[in-house]
Amino acid sequence: KAGVTQTPRYLIKTRGQQVTLSCSPISGHRSVSWYQQTPGQGLQFLFEYFSETQRNKGNFPGRFSGRQFSNSRSEMNVSTLELGDSALYLCASSLAGSWTEAFFGQGTRLTVV
Amino acid sequence: TQLLEQSPQFLSIQEGENLTVYCNSSSVFSSLQWYRQEPGEGPVLLVTVVTGGEVKKLKRLTFQFGDARKDSSLHITAAQPGDTGLYLCAGAWSGTASKLTFGTGTRLQVTL
Repeated sequence: KAGVTQTPRYLIKTRGQQVTLSCSPISGHRSVSWYQQTPGQGLQFLFEYFSETQRNKGNFPGRFSGRQFSNSRSEMNVSTLELGDSALYLCASSLAGSWTEAFFGQGTRLTVV
Repeated sequence: TQLLEQSPQFLSIQEGENLTVYCNSSSVFSSLQWYRQEPGEGPVLLVTVVTGGEVKKLKRLTFQFGDARKDSSLHITAAQPGDTGLYLCAGAWSGTASKLTFGTGTRLQVTL
C-alpha cells in the first residue's frame, strides 16, 4: 500500500510570506504528527492530530498551526516566515494513535530566503 | 520535560567492524523505537521495543531495551557501507504517548 505522501517536496519562500504543507497518511491511519528537522536541533515535535483533533503540541510559536481533515489528510501552515524556519518538515502517520510505530513521509524541504 | 541522550554523535568505521549506539533517558519509556534516515529522506522505522529486557534482532542489527526501560542500545555486527546513515532513537512516555521525542542522532559512516 502507498506510504505517507508529503507535498511539495521542495519549497523556497521569502521572509514574511506564509506556507502550507500537505500530508496524506497511509490509508487507514488516523493519526498524523508533524516534526521539524534542522541540523542544530534535530527532530522537534510540532503537533499531533487524531480524528481531526489536536491532541498534543510542541514548543513552537503560534505562527505554526495545523489541521486534520475527515479523510485524515493533514496540513500545516507557517505564517510570517523567518529565516530560521528553513528546515525539513516531516509528517508521520500511525494506525491508531499509540505511536508504537510511526511511518514517515519523505518530507518537505523549506528554504526561507 | 523528557530528554533523550544519544551517543556517540558521530561514528566513522571500516567495513567489517562492530559498533554500538546508546540511547538513555532519566524517565521510564512506555515504548522506544529506532529509525534510520538517509539524506533528504524521512526516517524509516527499524524496530519498536516495549518490554524491559527485550532483545530484538534484524539481520546484523541487535536492539536491546534496558530492564528498567530507561535505556536502549543498537549493536551492528560486521558493518557494511549500506549501513551508512543517521540512526535515531525515539521514545514515548506514559501520558504523552501521542508524542515521540527523538534523540539527537548518531551519524554513521562505513567505509570500504
